Amino acid sequence: DTVLTQSPALAVSPGERVTISCRASESVSTLMHWYQQKPGQQPTLLIYLASNLESGVPARFSGSGSGTDFTLTIDPVEADDTATYYCQQSWNDPWTFGGGTKLELK
Amino acid sequence: EVQLQESGPGLVKPSQSLSLTCSVTGYSITSNYWGWIRKFPGNKMEWMGYISYSGSTSYNPSLKSRISITRDTSKNQFFLQLNSVTTEDTATYYCARYPLLQWDYFDYWGQGVMVTVSS
Repeated sequence: DTVLTQSPALAVSPGERVTISCRASESVSTLMHWYQQKPGQQPTLLIYLASNLESGVPARFSGSGSGTDFTLTIDPVEADDTATYYCQQSWNDPWTFGGGTKLELK
Repeated sequence: EVQLQESGPGLVKPSQSLSLTCSVTGYSITSNYWGWIRKFPGNKMEWMGYISYSGSTSYNPSLKSRISITRDTSKNQFFLQLNSVTTEDTATYYCARYPLLQWDYFDYWGQGVMVTVSS
């Protein structure tokens, strides 16, 4: 299975720019997607196909990357962005998720 | 508005079967693909499988011998059955929708249901 590796946690101050990385153990082309999950809630789609912003998601969120290295950027970060962020690939069967990056605000 | 809601027992004994229902409102399950995903304690997430608008299915190979996804179009519901459960199947189970003409990611998720496997 394709392993997606994310940093476990990040802490940033409101107003800063944050990048959350996701590295795949093999190429996933651009079939990488990002979700936000707040405590006690279901995941919500932020970015699909590496760089496409889901409807209704603030333009502060953006995605980039291809092959094995992908990035989710939040600029500027707001207090409401406290959450865990997951990447998910759909190039290699079975689809797999990263372990999540917990974003905390200072 | 599309809404998905999981339901089922919160406690299942080891070796028994886990059965969950996903009730969909605001959209027909005869369109799109519909999936099940679970999140283990510790945050690891696993794609379990999907059922398509036509009723075809695909499963994660790690579960293939134990899993079945079916549907009842008259009730606009789809179902997950996982056989021979162990404590390692303790997780929060989510149902989710794939966007139209896509089967790569999930644009709507249910709230999730926590299932504990314990005697």
